[in-house]
Amino acid sequence: DAGVIQSPRHEVTEMGQEVTLRCKPISGHNSLFWYRQTMMRGLELLIYFNNNVPIDDSGMPEDRFSAKMPNASFSTLKIQPSEPRDSAVYFCASSLAGSGGGRYNEQFFGPGTRLTVL
Amino acid sequence: QQQVKQSPQSLIVQKGGISIINCAYENTAFDYFPWYQQFPGKGPALLIAIRPDVSEKKEGRFTISFNKSAKQFSLHIMDSQPGDSATYFCAAKPNQAGTALIFGKGTTLSVSS
Repeated sequence: DAGVIQSPRHEVTEMGQEVTLRCKPISGHNSLFWYRQTMMRGLELLIYFNNNVPIDDSGMPEDRFSAKMPNASFSTLKIQPSEPRDSAVYFCASSLAGSGGGRYNEQFFGPGTRLTVL
Repeated sequence: QQQVKQSPQSLIVQKGGISIINCAYENTAFDYFPWYQQFPGKGPALLIAIRPDVSEKKEGRFTISFNKSAKQFSLHIMDSQPGDSATYFCAAKPNQAGTALIFGKGTTLSVSS
């Protein structure tokens, strides 16, 4: 299995531009998560989907951020317009979710997209 | 808001020593406590996990100790090696279906040779 695939791996853009981050989860997984990681705030959950449906988007910073999951094998996180404070590493993760604990809760993370907004 | 508090923020240990990272939680409705390890430039990866019905789980040099009454759990790395240098995150999962892991802020471990 190729694992969680994210693209691009690095993105440098100017303030005000639209940024689209992409994620392909592990085949067969039914939950997908978007995280943002910074030195100051650590690993923050932005939004997660279960069976392609957004379940909790309370972590999305503001209306400039939007996420979609049109099918089980693809998700996007869009920032429009981008700002310098959006600079961070964005991770996508997927899991085979079930109730209770155990291995079905293991989240597999992608390699991340390092976003720099100038 | 449910939180998982992790300490210390950073840790320096000599090769061969024991590394200890602690986490505490407030909500009792968690049923899964994993630890993730992240190397620079990589995404976090599951290291070891425990359910609240056991007090300890050991996998090689890594051990989770769980204290349900104190709502605390910790990661112990025995015989720490330079290759263990990484950021470690504890996490907890609410026992409701369709909920996400709640992560601690992370601990950066440096093992000096």
